[in-house]
Amino acid sequence: DIQMTQSPSSLSASVGDRVTLTCRASQSVFNYLNWYQQKSGTPPRLLIYGAFNLQSGVPSRFSGSGSGTDFTLTISSLQPEDFATYHCQQSYRTPLTFGGGTKVEI
Amino acid sequence: EVQLVESGGGVVQPGGSLRLSCGASGFSFDDYAMHWVRQAPGKGLEWVSLLSGDGERTYYADSVKGRFTISRDNSKNSLYLQMDSLTIEDTAFYYCAKDIKKSRSWYDFYFDYWGQGTLLTVSS
Repeated sequence: DIQMTQSPSSLSASVGDRVTLTCRASQSVFNYLNWYQQKSGTPPRLLIYGAFNLQSGVPSRFSGSGSGTDFTLTISSLQPEDFATYHCQQSYRTPLTFGGGTKVEI
Repeated sequence: EVQLVESGGGVVQPGGSLRLSCGASGFSFDDYAMHWVRQAPGKGLEWVSLLSGDGERTYYADSVKGRFTISRDNSKNSLYLQMDSLTIEDTAFYYCAKDIKKSRSWYDFYFDYWGQGTLLTVSS
């Protein structure tokens, strides 16, 4: 199975900050890497697919980069509604696997 | 508007069985593979199973293989998860999720719409 590791597990930031989250795969997943945002008590929401493609309706302050085993999700200017947990997921092969999540807190 | 609504969660004793349902609307249900993904309270996400739009191809996580069965009824726009031999480790919110790829036979293995989830608690 492909193990996905996210770091940090949590971080504290302020509105307006630039925030970078990291996801590492135990083997290459090429560009088959997706990011989701999850707020407390709600299901995940797709933000980025294929490592860097912005899902429709997602603000442009979100961006993704990386390939192979190392990926990042960047929020260019953190907004109040961005405080949430972010999950990465590889879609290269089954079993599909997620990282443990990064919680972005105020 | 795409809507996915799970139902069937509840409290079950270890070793018991339960069937979850997911009703879909707002899209051509049989044109999309569907998934079940679970999340133990306060924990991360775990993919459980996938079923192609035509119902021909299934995949399971090792943790549920042989105990869970995914199925669908395209005439009812519904997805199911039959769960047998339940253990405490199966306690979680169960989400149904739509695969992003429009195809009756194939899938892209990621999810553009999720239901609100239904909670399964396995406890004696």
